Amino acid sequence: DSGVTQTPKHLITATGQRVTLRCSPRSGDLSVYWYQQSLDQGLQFLIHYYNGEERAKGNILERFSAQQFPDLHSELNLSSLELGDSALYFCASSRRSGTYEQYFGPGTRLTVT
Amino acid sequence: DQQVKQNSPSLSVQEGRISILNCDYTNSMFDYFLWYKKYPAEGPTFLISISSIKDKNEDGRFTVFLNKSAKHLSLHIVPSQPGDSAVYFCAASANNNNDMRFGAGTRLTVKP
Repeated sequence: DSGVTQTPKHLITATGQRVTLRCSPRSGDLSVYWYQQSLDQGLQFLIHYYNGEERAKGNILERFSAQQFPDLHSELNLSSLELGDSALYFCASSRRSGTYEQYFGPGTRLTVT
Repeated sequence: DQQVKQNSPSLSVQEGRISILNCDYTNSMFDYFLWYKKYPAEGPTFLISISSIKDKNEDGRFTVFLNKSAKHLSLHIVPSQPGDSAVYFCAASANNNNDMRFGAGTRLTVKP
């Protein structure tokens, strides 16, 4: 158990809909990262927050947004969903920002039908 | 733009032998490298890392080698055990960045 929790574990929704994925980092970790893993693909970095502030953006679509709240949990919002958005979405946390190992949650499997 | 590449999607080795997983990168700004292991239905777990100031880091059965001139790193597992069967991701980060780039992963199967 990494100490990072993600909810929900599974999510099935229709095209055009909007969903919110939630992540709680390990106790004491200030950084939260979001990744997308499509079928047989590597982990694609989406976005990084540190202590409530956005620090880096990767290949995140404009239809996607995220935020980190004062209690340090984070939410990833996916809107106008398309079939291609079906993937595993992982959240990871680390103590600080920068080059430190990240601890991953179990992921949320999103299926768009 | 795939800055971190794992060109072997799969590798199969016999229990007790050495497993060598390879990773290449293109961004010369990367200065910290990590290996993660992932079992099905779980998130990746950190395995071992290496800073660019070193060329080798060892932790038990796991050793990571870094060749900066070739922009290549490898993970050696000796001896390999069936429990090592998983997908292994290579990752790289630059100290002045706040993101980490992952390779596509290599599925290791260790046969008893």
